Amino acid sequence: EERLVESGGGLVKPGGSLRVFCEGSGFTFSSYSINWVRQAPGKGLEWVACVSSGSRDIDYADSVKGRFTIARDNANYSLSLQMNSLRVEDTAVYYCARGELNMDVWGKGTTVTVSS
Amino acid sequence: ESVLTQSPGTLSLSPGEGATLSCRASQSVRSTYISWYQQKPGQAPRLLIYYTSTRAAGIPDRFSGSGSGTDFTLTISRLEPEDFAVYYCQHYDTSSRTFGQGTKVEI
Repeated sequence: EERLVESGGGLVKPGGSLRVFCEGSGFTFSSYSINWVRQAPGKGLEWVACVSSGSRDIDYADSVKGRFTIARDNANYSLSLQMNSLRVEDTAVYYCARGELNMDVWGKGTTVTVSS
Repeated sequence: ESVLTQSPGTLSLSPGEGATLSCRASQSVRSTYISWYQQKPGQAPRLLIYYTSTRAAGIPDRFSGSGSGTDFTLTISRLEPEDFAVYYCQHYDTSSRTFGQGTKVEI
């Protein structure tokens, strides 16, 4: 079964940092772009970042550019999102999702709460 | 970057009825770059349609997608109880991806 599993979410104060992780299994992880997509409580989906299969292409949403860093380790089938200078508005469920043009495999998400 | 606007915000229907969901882009986009997702409460989104009209694996044929240019449509021919959910369209661009704000299909 093709799976993505997120971890690392938690409670952090505004201005703080947190790293969340995504682990893939059941498919050739190194062959696919992987995205982070988030969903604030009661809101819609917001794309956050994408890294290409070999890490050559990395893109970020304007809302996180300069604060978040996406990175992958294909040897370990894993991906991370380093989040710095966190804001209350970054509070959301963070999903990792596989794909370049569309996203066909999703994890169940990890919750990040930014609050004092 | 193209902005996607979905309408209506909420669609109130009964099982067995048909549903038509709209997704309008702020500028013309390539059809290969439009996808649709379904999300139920407490669950991750699920890919329904990609390349505007191609059903993803395991998606029943009551779901269909169409459109071109700036106007795209997801049609559900006969609503089943499990189809009541929120639906999002999504656009791929070379350096970004964009989701519409969603359409809730409710009973």
